[in-house]
Amino acid sequence: AQKITQTQPGMFVQEKEAVTLDCTYDTSDPSYGLFWYKQPSSGEMIFLIYQGSYDQQNATEGRYSLNFQKARKSANLVISASQLGDSAMYFCAISRSAAGNKLTFGGGTRVLVKP
Amino acid sequence: NAGVTQTPKFQVLKTGQSMTLQCAQDMNHEYMSWYRQDPGMGLRLIHYSVGAGITDQGEVPNGYNVSRSTTEDFPLRLLSAAPSQTSVYFCASSYLAVLAEKNNEQFFGPGTRLTVL
Repeated sequence: AQKITQTQPGMFVQEKEAVTLDCTYDTSDPSYGLFWYKQPSSGEMIFLIYQGSYDQQNATEGRYSLNFQKARKSANLVISASQLGDSAMYFCAISRSAAGNKLTFGGGTRVLVKP
Repeated sequence: NAGVTQTPKFQVLKTGQSMTLQCAQDMNHEYMSWYRQDPGMGLRLIHYSVGAGITDQGEVPNGYNVSRSTTEDFPLRLLSAAPSQTSVYFCASSYLAVLAEKNNEQFFGPGTRLTVL
């Protein structure tokens, strides 16, 4: 079975500063994918970034980057230059090698950006 | 291009009632799935489908039925609603990824907030 752990239930960050959201995972699959989704207060799920387990480089998408440490089984999301619109829940998820579409989600981290 | 649509947005049921949550996508995605999100928690997979006529159970399938007669539609049926099924339900779709290595970004609908009294 796969498991995702997000140990930070909530975080405050000052506007324009960077914030790191922790995600650790447990899987016995040789290949897998890691995803981060954002859920604002309006409720929709917004895809942010993806990292494949065999990718050699850390993924980046605009202000989002992923600090992927395979040996430690962690995939932390870094948001640079935080904006007020970044206030939301953030979910880490993992997909399985045998069923690439099935996602297992962590419990989420709530981020509140202060002006 | 509407993406993934869900109806209704809100629903209140009494214990024992049945209903169907509708989900449709217009991106020709093979894979569709249903998740539920309980307060303060992440999403959990209920059922999924890898194509028309093919469905399978996810992590929390009890009390729910699905069918996939077309590529576009994937309805979720609550057979006899219980208060434990009070949740927000999300439908998602994506291209079918054989390997987890591929970025099979899932597109989510806006969700249906269901309350069972």
